[in-house]
Amino acid sequence: GNSVTQMEGPVTLSEEAFLTINCTYTATGYPSLFWYVQYPGEGLQLLLKATKADDKGSNKGFEATYRKETTSFHLEKGSVQVSDSAVYFCALKSDYGQNFVFGPGTRLSVLP
Amino acid sequence: DAGVTQSPTHLIKTRGQQVTLRCSPKSGHDTVSWYQQALGQGPQFIFQYYEEEERQRGNFPDRFSGHQFPNYSSELNVNALLLGDSALYLCASSFLRAQAGDTQYFGPGTRLTVL
Repeated sequence: GNSVTQMEGPVTLSEEAFLTINCTYTATGYPSLFWYVQYPGEGLQLLLKATKADDKGSNKGFEATYRKETTSFHLEKGSVQVSDSAVYFCALKSDYGQNFVFGPGTRLSVLP
Repeated sequence: DAGVTQSPTHLIKTRGQQVTLRCSPKSGHDTVSWYQQALGQGPQFIFQYYEEEERQRGNFPDRFSGHQFPNYSSELNVNALLLGDSALYLCASSFLRAQAGDTQYFGPGTRLTVL
């Protein structure tokens, strides 16, 4: 079945540091890929998405590129802020269904 | 335009009891999905409703059941509660005939604690 694997956290960075959170997936067909963010006590918010190979999703300084050859969708940001502290989830949606398959999440803490 | 709303925000039950959680989808959406998010884990798909019928189901026992009403709102029912059912329950809405990249919009969740 479809699955998503993320790097284990927590990840602790200083403000303005470079961020990478690795995500790899297993899926049949051509899934769409997503990054969601969850702030403390809140639900999930869409951060960015990509729907086909080599697409790059971007939002709020975050970027991720859909790499079909490596089945990866790594999240990057050049300079993190304290306000980026949250849990980040990589997810996929198959091309034949509407439900999402989520990774376990990676907690990011950014220190001032 | 209100987004996805869920009620109640928090709920405390004891083992063996039954619980009902409610969800109103985003305006214009006709499909509701439910997810269970245990502490420290990613959301797990429970089931999805469209046109008042269960359309897809994840790997959850029959104790988990749902309903969708003509106005597209939905309920999640859990019978014979177990301690392991303690989690954040998330509702997500979408439009069935969405394009591949269209996402689901998530509500804030209901925190269920089973004692």
